[in-house]
Amino acid sequence: SQELEQSPQSLIVQEGKNLTINCTSSKTLYGLYWYKQKYGEGLIFLMMLQKGGEEKSHEKITAKLDEKKQQSSLHITASQPSHAGIYLCGADGGGAQKLVFGQGTRLTINP
Amino acid sequence: DGGITQSPKYLFRKEGQNVTLSCEQNLNHDAMYWYRQDPGQGLRLIYYSQIVNDFQKGDIAEGYSVSREKKESFPLTVTSAQKNPTAFYLCASRIRGRQDNTEAFFGQGTRLTVV
Repeated sequence: SQELEQSPQSLIVQEGKNLTINCTSSKTLYGLYWYKQKYGEGLIFLMMLQKGGEEKSHEKITAKLDEKKQQSSLHITASQPSHAGIYLCGADGGGAQKLVFGQGTRLTINP
Repeated sequence: DGGITQSPKYLFRKEGQNVTLSCEQNLNHDAMYWYRQDPGQGLRLIYYSQIVNDFQKGDIAEGYSVSREKKESFPLTVTSAQKNPTAFYLCASRIRGRQDNTEAFFGQGTRLTVV
């Protein structure tokens, strides 16, 4: 079945700095999703990528899917306290409609 | 407003008891999912359903059961066979696409504690 590996597992950055979170798949990605979660709450959808080389941006967050469709990155520019939380990548894998997730990256922003 | 609702938000269970977590959506979505999240970890798939009266085991189905009698409802029962049920449980739903996939919408979660 599809496995997703996120790195790093934890990240602490100073406010205003840029950062990148990676998501690597054991199989070709046909649908890659990025979500954000605040502790103890549900997931908020950020972006979906489907095509090799695709890149999407929303405010200060940019997500990319590599040409081989096995790795995605999430980049935050000029981080703010509101960016703090857990970021999870998810993917369609292992059969129709099965949606699996990585282990998450916990992001802390220090003022 | 359309959305996905999980209840209760907090649930306490005695050892040896079964407990059922509710998940309801009014988004007219075909596919629904249950995940378990442990502290510091990601989401692990318990069960998922693509259509009414049909569901499939996820990666950690042992000790859990589900039903899908109505399109809008996908309850999860945590049975006494689940050895370590204390966790945060999340339900999600999405459109069942034929060619293009779509994002899933999540409920706010139920925190289950065994006492």
